[in-house]
Amino acid sequence: QSALTQPASVSGSPGQSITMSCTGTSSDVGGYNYVSWYQQHPGKAPELMIYDVNKRPSGVSYRFSGSKSGNTASLTVSGLQAEDEADYYCTSYTTTSTYVFGTGTKVTVL
Amino acid sequence: QVTLKESGPALVKPTQTLTLTCTFSGFSLSSSGMRVSWIRQPPGKALEWLARIDWDDDTFYSTSLKTRLTISKDTSKNQVVLTMTNMDPVDTATYYCARSVTAGGGFDYWGQGTLVTVSS
Repeated sequence: QSALTQPASVSGSPGQSITMSCTGTSSDVGGYNYVSWYQQHPGKAPELMIYDVNKRPSGVSYRFSGSKSGNTASLTVSGLQAEDEADYYCTSYTTTSTYVFGTGTKVTVL
Repeated sequence: QVTLKESGPALVKPTQTLTLTCTFSGFSLSSSGMRVSWIRQPPGKALEWLARIDWDDDTFYSTSLKTRLTISKDTSKNQVVLTMTNMDPVDTATYYCARSVTAGGGFDYWGQGTLVTVSS
């Protein structure tokens, strides 16, 4: 199972919105509404930000939203804040009952 | 309050078998829908899912690593154990355990991770 493809880096100024993509295949992203997104600050464990494509866990800011079209999922961060600077990973359930993670996107707040 | 914590050796030699334990609290792995996965992250690299065990003892493994992995649980001790055979330097990584409550994923609680270095 090949890793999902994410842009290596995305940047934005405070207050702006950014969107990062996560591209897979019909065997993973395109096959299920089971895409989740994680935020990881340096030296810390990942934190769940979005699950089932567009659902936010309790306690996660409304500024984070998810969507999917075909084999590509997206995470949008609106009203960018300094604390949003982190690595972001997507993951998807697959047709072989496994999970595949994305390559990761480093978000920089300018 | 859900917590998970990984434990195991910090250093293993090539060809050895790694055994990691995830000790958790705040939920029961005998409750319907509960699942625990192991996920690793080599230094500076992306996350990689390894294995999952469910409340009903179903197990699932990474296609590329399935021949080397075994996941098991001890419900009475609130522990999940992962063994990985034939360790290699490329297996050097931080190993995490994480909980999910649906088959689709959404790892909602993670341990702090434990760094395992493979070196002679």
